[in-house]
Amino acid sequence: NAGVMQNPRHLVRRRGQEARLRCSPMKGHSHVYWYRQLPEEGLKFMVYLQKENIIDESGMPKERFSAEFPKEGPSILRIQQVVRGDSAAYFCASSPARGAYEQYFGPGTRLTVT
Amino acid sequence: QKEVEQDPGPLSVPEGAIVSLNCTYSNSAFQYFMWYRQYSRKGPELLMYTYSSGNKEDGRFTAQVDKSSKYISLFIRDSQPSDSATYLCAMSSISGGYNKLIFGAGTRLAVHP
Repeated sequence: NAGVMQNPRHLVRRRGQEARLRCSPMKGHSHVYWYRQLPEEGLKFMVYLQKENIIDESGMPKERFSAEFPKEGPSILRIQQVVRGDSAAYFCASSPARGAYEQYFGPGTRLTVT
Repeated sequence: QKEVEQDPGPLSVPEGAIVSLNCTYSNSAFQYFMWYRQYSRKGPELLMYTYSSGNKEDGRFTAQVDKSSKYISLFIRDSQPSDSATYLCAMSSISGGYNKLIFGAGTRLAVHP
């Protein structure tokens, strides 16, 4: 039973470029959360999605950031025109149901903006 | 003031010691309390989950929640070098029917042989 998969594991982008982070949840899970972890800090909630719907994006910056979870394929976190402050580890977690306490985290994507 | 406060450590203990990790929080609506373990450069792994107040034990790990004091703890008995990791407390209120986790900053633990 494959766990949560994220790719790429490491991503280097120059300022102004776009970053696309992918998350494939566990088999049978249709709920995905994205969190960001800055150096020496805990994880901060960004967005919660169900298949084809954004439920809560209150933790996501209003500009440059967007997320989707299409009917087919992985969830994608997209950051346009990256800046140095976007450098962080981005984790997704999948959950089997809307109110379930279990969240299974992927290995993360480490984004470095040069 | 942060919603969840956690001493970042680092905490260094000898093998076999009892480790106590703690978090305090300010939001009285939190009902779900979790401890995650995160090894370096890896994703967090759920260790313990507690609903509302009380204790929960799983092997060498015991989680305690005191809602009246807004204080949660994780105890690790007979600590092993393999326990060396960052421990993150997390909590939520299931507001809106889903589980948006609020994390502490994490405590780095080193268990030396």
